[in-house]
Amino acid sequence: AQKITQTQPGMFVQEKEAVTLDCTYDTSDQSYGLFWYKQPSSGEMIFLIYQGSYDEQNATEGRYSLNFQKARKSANLVISASQLGDSAMYFCAMRELMKTSYDKVIFGPGTSLSVIP
Amino acid sequence: DGGITQSPKYLFRKEGQNVTLSCEQNLNHDAMYWYRQDPGQGLRLIYYSQIVNDFQKGDIAEGYSVSREKKESFPLTVTSAQKNPTAFYLCASSLRIWGDNQPQHFGDGTRLSIL
Repeated sequence: AQKITQTQPGMFVQEKEAVTLDCTYDTSDQSYGLFWYKQPSSGEMIFLIYQGSYDEQNATEGRYSLNFQKARKSANLVISASQLGDSAMYFCAMRELMKTSYDKVIFGPGTSLSVIP
Repeated sequence: DGGITQSPKYLFRKEGQNVTLSCEQNLNHDAMYWYRQDPGQGLRLIYYSQIVNDFQKGDIAEGYSVSREKKESFPLTVTSAQKNPTAFYLCASSLRIWGDNQPQHFGDGTRLSIL
């Protein structure tokens, strides 16, 4: 069963506008972490932002913020003041605490964001 | 600067050939991972290692092998048993294998194709 859903395969945003990338997840664990990564066309994965399941405040990192709604199991990424360099694939990921010593990280299918001048 | 180095950037494999992808990190991380990415898809875990001389299978380990003889190195061998090896391969590391606030750091990837 897919545990991370990103319903927007592709998104367009005007330069300098804000954009929200959706992510919903499925877990029965109480303790977990949510991550967003950016993957430019060159291929490397760049860590953007983290939200812990017990964090009461939404995470923010510069122009990135995470709209965390625990009851709805959603962790949407908000990018403010979009720039041309924001054009990339964006992946939502979840880290579940396993019963073994390994925390499994599950990635969503990604959303392709294109910033229009 | 600390980081993860993957080589080569592009690799071509002939039928029946084993090929090895290199991954080196100087972040002093305990945990290392190999992922496979197919076009338009997320990442799938091949193997992971939490300590030297120890590694475990991920979700799609068949046709792959790894070793962890040094903390900083985690090479991946794509064997001839992997019938569909064409993909983008990403190596990652993290401070430790558990703990929910530790992000993974990634290399720039290796693109493998069949000749």
